[in-house]
Amino acid sequence: NAGVTQTPKFQVLKTGQSMTLQCAQDMNHEYMSWYRQDPGMGLRLIHYSVGAGITDQGEVPNGYNVSRSTTEDFPLRLLSAAPSQTSVYFCASSYGDRGSYGYTFGSGTRLTVV
Amino acid sequence: GNSVTQMEGPVTLSEEAFLTINCTYTATGYPSLFWYVQYPGEGLQLLLKATKADDKGSNKGFEATYRKETTSFHLEKGSVQVSDSAVYFCALSVLSSGTYKYIFGTGTRLKVLA
Repeated sequence: NAGVTQTPKFQVLKTGQSMTLQCAQDMNHEYMSWYRQDPGMGLRLIHYSVGAGITDQGEVPNGYNVSRSTTEDFPLRLLSAAPSQTSVYFCASSYGDRGSYGYTFGSGTRLTVV
Repeated sequence: GNSVTQMEGPVTLSEEAFLTINCTYTATGYPSLFWYVQYPGEGLQLLLKATKADDKGSNKGFEATYRKETTSFHLEKGSVQVSDSAVYFCALSVLSSGTYKYIFGTGTRLKVLA
């Protein structure tokens, strides 16, 4: 019963480096999202996907790419890391057709860009 | 538009005190309402939910009632414990353009002192 699994848990990057944050879920959820959490700003939606092959931008998409080739996986790519991307990143999933279900969250990736 | 407003924190209480965290919402249609809890260093966990007017969600001694007339979903607990110290997020899901969208409040930090 793994739920939503995020890797790595911690990462330090240098400015300009790229990396991929991994997210996988084993609940056959259609809907997956990436959020960033910054002090005093709550959760901000980066990108989301309503199913394999379908992705869309959230409110803060710049500097990030996503793809959804399978139902299970939804990786988040940082193209050229900047200090402003220092944050805690959460992946979440849900049933797309059941708004009453709620999200299941991963445990997060704490990213520091120096 | 759709939005969630919750009281600013931090909220500091003594053990066994009564807790209320206010949450109001704006939504088109008929949203489902949620409370999530985030313990230090962890992801968000679903605490309770309500899917229609006058429903009461409850879990671990916490309760919240879906009040359509006041568009509110206030979180309450009769006697808090030190272990309840966490950040609490109010959220809603609403059908938008054929899929469910999740909107989160900015979170309220609760500190319970022994």
